[in-house]
Amino acid sequence: DGGITQSPKYLFRKEGQNVTLSCEQNLNHDAMYWYRQDPGQGLRLIYYSQIVNDFQKGDIAEGYSVSREKKESFPLTVTSAQKNPTAFYLCASSIEGVNTEAFFGQGTRLTVV
Amino acid sequence: GENVEQHPSTLSVQEGDSAVIKCTYSDSASNYFPWYKQELGKRPQLIIDIRSNVGEKKDQRIAVTLNKTAKHFSLHITETQPEDSAVYFCAASLRRGAQKLVFGQGTRLTINP
Repeated sequence: DGGITQSPKYLFRKEGQNVTLSCEQNLNHDAMYWYRQDPGQGLRLIYYSQIVNDFQKGDIAEGYSVSREKKESFPLTVTSAQKNPTAFYLCASSIEGVNTEAFFGQGTRLTVV
Repeated sequence: GENVEQHPSTLSVQEGDSAVIKCTYSDSASNYFPWYKQELGKRPQLIIDIRSNVGEKKDQRIAVTLNKTAKHFSLHITETQPEDSAVYFCAASLRRGAQKLVFGQGTRLTINP
């Protein structure tokens, strides 16, 4: 059940603090994605990256930042500017190309306390 | 940008009956339509997909149909079983520089014994 790993599984943050969610894959995939999952709203795209040192904003990028310094890693930082950060966050990766399957990590549940 | 609408949000069927979930998309350039299943506490996993040059695809008890003119696609599950109970997500993919996968809101399917 490996391939793409997210850590930690549960994360608690105080208001006003930044927090970074880890996503690592050993599938040799070029593309990586971050989604936010809220009840009744499906999976909403935060950021995605096709290659190292390049990434694009998704539909709800405000209050988030990412980096792609290595092919295997795509960390997501939830900043204090994100007004409602409590959610379930899913990372995914896929082979570069058209119409390719996305493989998901187990997710990180972030709670602001 | 692309927008994907999914209906219904919840669906309850008797074991052995069929279930149908429908999605519409907005961007006619979308050319790949996967369906993901997410069981409770687990990551989403691909169950079937269809490309824009195909009208229907079957895999045992599941099938997907695509109407490009109307911009809608549907998931059909026949002879439903208790293990089919899960949340199902449709998605549409278009490629503008990088592949961008946009998901619907999800359907919680419950199979009643």
